[in-house]
Amino acid sequence: EPEVTQTPSHQVTQMGQEVILRCVPISNHLYFYWYRQILGQKVEFLVSFYNNEISEKSEIFDDQFSVERPDGSNFTLKIRSTKLEDSAMYFCASSGTSSSYNSPLHFGNGTRLTVT
Amino acid sequence: QKEVEQNSGPLSVPEGAIASLNCTYSDRGSQSFFWYRQYSGKSPELIMFIYSNGDKEDGRFTAQLNKASQYVSLLIRDSQPSDSATYLCAVKDSTNTDKLIFGTGTRLQVFP
Repeated sequence: EPEVTQTPSHQVTQMGQEVILRCVPISNHLYFYWYRQILGQKVEFLVSFYNNEISEKSEIFDDQFSVERPDGSNFTLKIRSTKLEDSAMYFCASSGTSSSYNSPLHFGNGTRLTVT
Repeated sequence: QKEVEQNSGPLSVPEGAIASLNCTYSDRGSQSFFWYRQYSGKSPELIMFIYSNGDKEDGRFTAQLNKASQYVSLLIRDSQPSDSATYLCAVKDSTNTDKLIFGTGTRLQVFP
């Protein structure tokens, strides 16, 4: 069964450094997402991406965050200057071959980001 | 603030029993509802989705939806120790249909 893949599985970085989290969505999916889960808390929406642009973003997704689909397969999340509170599990997800509204999201295995 | 509420548990059931997991949501316009299973330290894994009022069965799992009561549930029949995980209820935001709103999850423990 096709799956969403994420690399790296664990990233440790120092506060103020830039990190890039990488994802390869399911190949025929059109909608891409980043969510995050701080340890012990809810899964939270960060951003959605369709047709090579951001379609929605949450309040968490401030100017420190950006997303990109640099080629036909990869989808990346960049955090420009990491803060301690950015430490979380970051999940990439993809959905939909047509309308996103009723398409289930399929999540990757996540990248655990630790900011020291 | 749109919310999805779940009892955090743990819900403990013996092997072979039916586990019943419940979820309420505040967004009356929501149309799409999802149950994910999450093992500790792992990603959410889709179990079921439901869009229409009533029941939807898939193997040992049954999702139930009542939009009037803003209530969705998941029944797991013949529970197995391998079903022990946190079950996340997720609801599509009616005004931002790209966004899933998750509950905190209910931790299920199935003991032999």
